[in-house]
Amino acid sequence: EAGVAQSPRYKIIEKRQSVAFWCNPISGHATLYWYQQILGQGPKLLIQFQNNGVVDDSQLPKDRFSAERLKGVDSTLKIQPAKLEDSAVYLCASSRTSAHQPYEQYFGPGTRLTVT
Amino acid sequence: SQKIEQNSEALNIQEGKTATLTCNYTNYSPAYLQWYRQDPGRGPVFLLLIRENEKEKRKERLKVTFDTTLKQSLFHITASQPADSATYLCALEAIFGTALIFGKGTTLSVSS
Repeated sequence: EAGVAQSPRYKIIEKRQSVAFWCNPISGHATLYWYQQILGQGPKLLIQFQNNGVVDDSQLPKDRFSAERLKGVDSTLKIQPAKLEDSAVYLCASSRTSAHQPYEQYFGPGTRLTVT
Repeated sequence: SQKIEQNSEALNIQEGKTATLTCNYTNYSPAYLQWYRQDPGRGPVFLLLIRENEKEKRKERLKVTFDTTLKQSLFHITASQPADSATYLCALEAIFGTALIFGKGTTLSVSS
């Protein structure tokens, strides 16, 4: 099966500019996640979708970050305006969903964002 | 506070030896724990999942243990190879159905 696709792979912007990332999850995966991974750290959840509804966005800086998942498939994550501390790798992941058992997450290659 | 700690940031071992990585957590009671591998410039890749009622899980040269009393998971790679060099992340769900919370990872280097 095709994996999780993300674009772009790399992005360099100046602070106060805006940027958008795109993710296409594995077909049939109802749950989609966006993580932020700062160098030397583990991934940190920004937002979790189930189908096109938000399950958890408690750690999303909503004054500058927004995300949507149209039609329960693709998703976009936007930052506007960017700050220097937003420099990180943004990972998209997807998984199947069950109320009774856990499933592993499949990650995309990530987008490396550099804010100058 | 709730924490997940992977005790070693870096672990260097010789080819053929067993690598043992540690994951400790505090103030969580996870029903299961997962381990992922991450290579530079790539997203994490799932390796193993172990449930709270399982003491041990194996997959080829990998073995994971889960001690809910000690609040600790150990990840072993036997007969290690240079190709095993990567960062290994442990992760858990604070509440079933929520997103994974990751440790910082341990970077393993296997020299030939």
